[in-house]
Amino acid sequence: QVQLVESGGDLVQPGGSLRLSCAASGFTFSDTYMNWIRQAPGRGLEWISYISPSGNTIYYADSVKGRFTISRDNADKSLYLSMNTLRADDTAVYYCASLAYSGFESWGQGTLVAVSS
Amino acid sequence: SYVLSQPPSVSVAPGRTASISCGGSDIGSQSVQWYQQKPGQAPVMVIYYDKDRPSGIPERFSGSNSGNTATLTISRVEAGDEADYYCQVWDGNIDHYVFGSGTKVTVL
Repeated sequence: QVQLVESGGDLVQPGGSLRLSCAASGFTFSDTYMNWIRQAPGRGLEWISYISPSGNTIYYADSVKGRFTISRDNADKSLYLSMNTLRADDTAVYYCASLAYSGFESWGQGTLVAVSS
Repeated sequence: SYVLSQPPSVSVAPGRTASISCGGSDIGSQSVQWYQQKPGQAPVMVIYYDKDRPSGIPERFSGSNSGNTATLTISRVEAGDEADYYCQVWDGNIDHYVFGSGTKVTVL
């Protein structure tokens, strides 16, 4: 069955960096568009980044553009999110999700990023 | 950027029907997806392409989309349907995915 497992969440100081990973299994990862979506505590869902199967097409939400970088390793069936210049308002649970039917078909369980001094 | 508007909350008695609206400019021309999120869990897609259900989603969940409003309808509501529900579209003008603000469904 489809499985997405995020890791790498941690407590980090403002201005710091972090790299999230998402391990995929149960589907053809190299054919699948992937995304990162986050949810701040007690808040709604916010899409933050998209990457095409080849990695040639990438989109970012304005709130993270220039600070976050999405990437993937199809051989390892892994998705990544490198986050720099972290701010308090980046505090959230970060989900990776596969794209299908114009939406997000499968989700991981999420990993918590807390930005605080 | 494109904005999707949802009511913050909807209350419904067990066995009755809950309707959750998602408003957006000419949303009827877009494909709308809906997600259910229970406390402490990841979201689950319940409707895609306005009205189609993924495998495993009960027939009690249905969707419609016309004009400036998309609607998720939950028939014969059960206690287990209590959750937050989000609508979502693709904004092709700026290559962004957009979520509505979410609606908390409370089963009385």
